[in-house]
Amino acid sequence: GQQLNQSPQSMFIQEGEDVSMNCTSSSIFNTWLWYKQDPGEGPVLLIALYKAGELTSNGRLTAQFGITRKDSFLNISASIPSDVGIYFCAGPPGAGGTSYGKLTFGQGTILTVHP
Amino acid sequence: SAVISQKPSRDICQRGTSLTIQCQVDSQVTMMFWYRQQPGQSLTLIATANQGSEATYESGFVIDKFPISRPNLTFSTLTVSNMSPEDSSIYLCSGRQGGPYNEQFFGPGTRLTVL
Repeated sequence: GQQLNQSPQSMFIQEGEDVSMNCTSSSIFNTWLWYKQDPGEGPVLLIALYKAGELTSNGRLTAQFGITRKDSFLNISASIPSDVGIYFCAGPPGAGGTSYGKLTFGQGTILTVHP
Repeated sequence: SAVISQKPSRDICQRGTSLTIQCQVDSQVTMMFWYRQQPGQSLTLIATANQGSEATYESGFVIDKFPISRPNLTFSTLTVSNMSPEDSSIYLCSGRQGGPYNEQFFGPGTRLTVL
């Protein structure tokens, strides 16, 4: 099936630092989604990207949909302790396959922010 | 976006028993999905819950082990049958309104421990 490779697997940073994580796929995605999961909760959508090259911001978060449609990155600026959690990239693979319409998730990036 | 609730939020069960997890959405959704998230891992799709018909299961998951019901557009259940310790996991309900590229949102999850 479709696979998303997300990196890094984990990050330990100081409060105030910027963070960058990315996601790559061997096949084309028409949508890239970035979710955050807090401990004991379900994932919550942070940013959705719908067009190749699109750059979208949500507060301190910025995400981009790669031109090749096979990658995306998420940046967090000036991190704060509440940014702690697991960040997942996800997307529904393109039409024509058995995975159409179903989200595929990356392995996740565990973010720890030291105050 | 819609709000999803799940019951129970957590449970500890004995080997060989079954547990039914309920998922309630506060508005109608086109699609409902059930995911499993093992400790420290990403989300794996178990099945798509179809209203009024049998669920569509992903490779590695079968109806006898994970029977699913979806009697209407706002409610679904997942049963984990004949449980073993390997079934210890977080089970997440998810919903989507509209087409495959619309936002997919998640419930808080049910944390299951099998002894």
